Amino acid sequence: DQQVKQNSPSLSVQEGRISILNCDYTNSMFDYFLWYKKYPAEGPTFLISISSIKDKNEDGRFTVFLNKSAKHLSLHIVPSQPGDSAVYFCAASPSTDSWGKLQFGAGTQVVVTP
Amino acid sequence: DAGITQSPRHKVTETGTPVTLRCHQTENHRYMYWYRQDPGHGLRLIHYSYGVKDTDKGEVSDGYSVSRSKTEDFLLTLESATSSQTSVYFCAISSSGSTGELFFGEGSRLTVL
Repeated sequence: DQQVKQNSPSLSVQEGRISILNCDYTNSMFDYFLWYKKYPAEGPTFLISISSIKDKNEDGRFTVFLNKSAKHLSLHIVPSQPGDSAVYFCAASPSTDSWGKLQFGAGTQVVVTP
Repeated sequence: DAGITQSPRHKVTETGTPVTLRCHQTENHRYMYWYRQDPGHGLRLIHYSYGVKDTDKGEVSDGYSVSRSKTEDFLLTLESATSSQTSVYFCAISSSGSTGELFFGEGSRLTVL
């Protein structure tokens, strides 16, 4: 049973607009959350992370919001650029069970159109 | 970019044959992982290593074994490949045992006919 869910398999957005990617989780022990970006024929690359002691983390055009009570996080990309077209994976891990044993969502394919 | 090399990058094999995938790192990181990526599942952890000759099972370890005789190499073996093991396999490394950023290799696409 997947503990991290990305219910939108795809998202199309116009260049310059905001992209909002959503992620839900079921395990209340998750304490650390990450987003990875993946281009075709490449490995995933780390994008941004947030720990449960925060509700927001920002890095340039990327902001992650965490709502622990709702077990929900979202990634905002503003403004979206054509180079942002990729698959985005949400991942989570409990702080007491680390070793990089991340639980990944199924991914959301983002397409940024001109 | 983290120095991670996976080989082979592509392989087609037949059911029942053994297959070994290799992950080689030049970062001297202590922790290494094997994940598989499948549509609808994202990435799932197969096995991981926290040091030379120290390995443990991940979420989907059945049918796979690993070995790590040197810091830089982590091998994933399918003793008898099955069609359900057709997937893209990613090796990852990290410098810390605590939850944090993983650096992934470019992947090895395996097709079992």
